[in-house]
Amino acid sequence: DQQVKQNSPSLSVQEGRISILNCDYTNSMFDYFLWYKKYPAEGPTFLISISSIKDKNEDGRFTVFLNKSAKHLSLHIVPSQPGDSAVYFCAARYYGGSQGNLIFGKGTKLSVKP
Amino acid sequence: DSGVTQTPKHLITATGQRVTLRCSPRSGDLSVYWYQQSLDQGLQFLIQYYNGEERAKGNILERFSAQQFPDLHSELNLSSLELGDSALYFCASSAGGWETQYFGPGTRLLVL
Repeated sequence: DQQVKQNSPSLSVQEGRISILNCDYTNSMFDYFLWYKKYPAEGPTFLISISSIKDKNEDGRFTVFLNKSAKHLSLHIVPSQPGDSAVYFCAARYYGGSQGNLIFGKGTKLSVKP
Repeated sequence: DSGVTQTPKHLITATGQRVTLRCSPRSGDLSVYWYQQSLDQGLQFLIQYYNGEERAKGNILERFSAQQFPDLHSELNLSSLELGDSALYFCASSAGGWETQYFGPGTRLLVL
């Protein structure tokens, strides 16, 4: 049973426009959410995070929104650049228990076209 | 460069064999995590060590084991390998237990 879901395997966006990547989760015990970016042949790179007590966090071109009632978060990239083309993973942290610290979605492959 | 190193980068072996993957965390980080990424799958958490002690366990098979040494590097041992164990294995580290995790470049394991 997937606790973190990224329902869009891929997304294509024009350079300069907004990219919106979505993520849904099922476990209300998650207290922290993160986005990682992954280029081919490299490990995931931390991008931005948000605590469950906030609904928005912004870092330059990247903004993460959290809607706890809907158990939904999204990553906005504005403006999108060709270098943003990568696979983006949503991850959630489960405080305590035996499930481990980070639970990942399957990723969304973003392609930003010049 | 995240500061997390993993060796080897690629590994090809046969079914039934045993391999050891190695990870060196970022300087000063006490926690090491191991993840498995199979084809078209997200990263699956395997196990976490904190300062030499096992801290959390995920979906790690009994054929797999890990340890963290006094110098804080970690090794993931995979034995009685099966075709389905072919995957990317990532190591990550963090300062303690709940901080952001930084990932290494991964080890690509191919079991033939």
